[in-house]
Amino acid sequence: NAGVTQTPKFQVLKTGQSMTLQCAQDMNHEYMSWYRQDPGMGLRLIHYSVGAGITDQGEVPNGYNVSRSTTEDFPLRLLSAAPSQTSVYFCASSYSSTGEGNTIYFGEGSWLTVV
Amino acid sequence: RKEVEQDPGPFNVPEGATVAFNCTYSNSASQSFFWYRQDCRKEPKLLMSVYSSGNEDGRFTAQLNRASQYISLLIRDSKLSDSATYLCVVGGLTGTASKLTFGTGTRLQVTL
Repeated sequence: NAGVTQTPKFQVLKTGQSMTLQCAQDMNHEYMSWYRQDPGMGLRLIHYSVGAGITDQGEVPNGYNVSRSTTEDFPLRLLSAAPSQTSVYFCASSYSSTGEGNTIYFGEGSWLTVV
Repeated sequence: RKEVEQDPGPFNVPEGATVAFNCTYSNSASQSFFWYRQDCRKEPKLLMSVYSSGNEDGRFTAQLNRASQYISLLIRDSKLSDSATYLCVVGGLTGTASKLTFGTGTRLQVTL
C-alpha cells in the first residue's frame, strides 16, 4: 500500500551542487508530476509526464530536469542548486491529468534547503 | 489576476461552527474542480471533487457556480481535526496542454 514514495525527505545542499529527488509510484498511473510549494505561492508545476518516455515542462521548469524511463519512476534532478530552489517539493501521480473524479496522489514531500 | 484565488485566512472558528470557503477561477474553460486538504508539513490529500450539481460528503458540501466562476466548500459542525489548509484546485485545458492550477490555500483553525 505504498502509493507515491518520495526521497529524501530532507536535504541541505550548497549552491552549485546537484542532486536527484526520487519518486516512485506503484499504482500503474500514467500521469506523474513534480510541484514545488512556496509560502504564498501555492503549488507550482515544474515538470510532468503523461507516460514512459514522455516528459514536458510545467510552469517553473528552469534549473530542473526529469526523465521517465519506466511507468513507476519519475526522478527530478537539480542541475546546479541555487538558493531560489529552497522549497518543498512534491511528486504526484494520477490516472489522468485533469479529469473529473480523478484523484491526485502526492508523495510526502521533500524539504530542500540550498545554502 | 491569479488563475485561482482563495482567501488565505486564517479562519478561526469554535468547535461546532459552520464555516464556508470560496474560491474563484479565471479560466472559463476550466473543466474539473477539487478541494484538497493539507495538514501542516504534510502532503495535500483529496477532500472531494466538485460537480456542477453540487455534492455532499458527510459534514462537507461543495458547490460550483460556473456562471460566476467560483466554487465553495461548506463545513458544518466543525471538529478540531478539521484544522488544516484547504486548497482549491482547478483543472482545464490551456492551449493544447491539460493543466491543474492550485490556489494558495485557506487556513482553518478550529478551537475549543
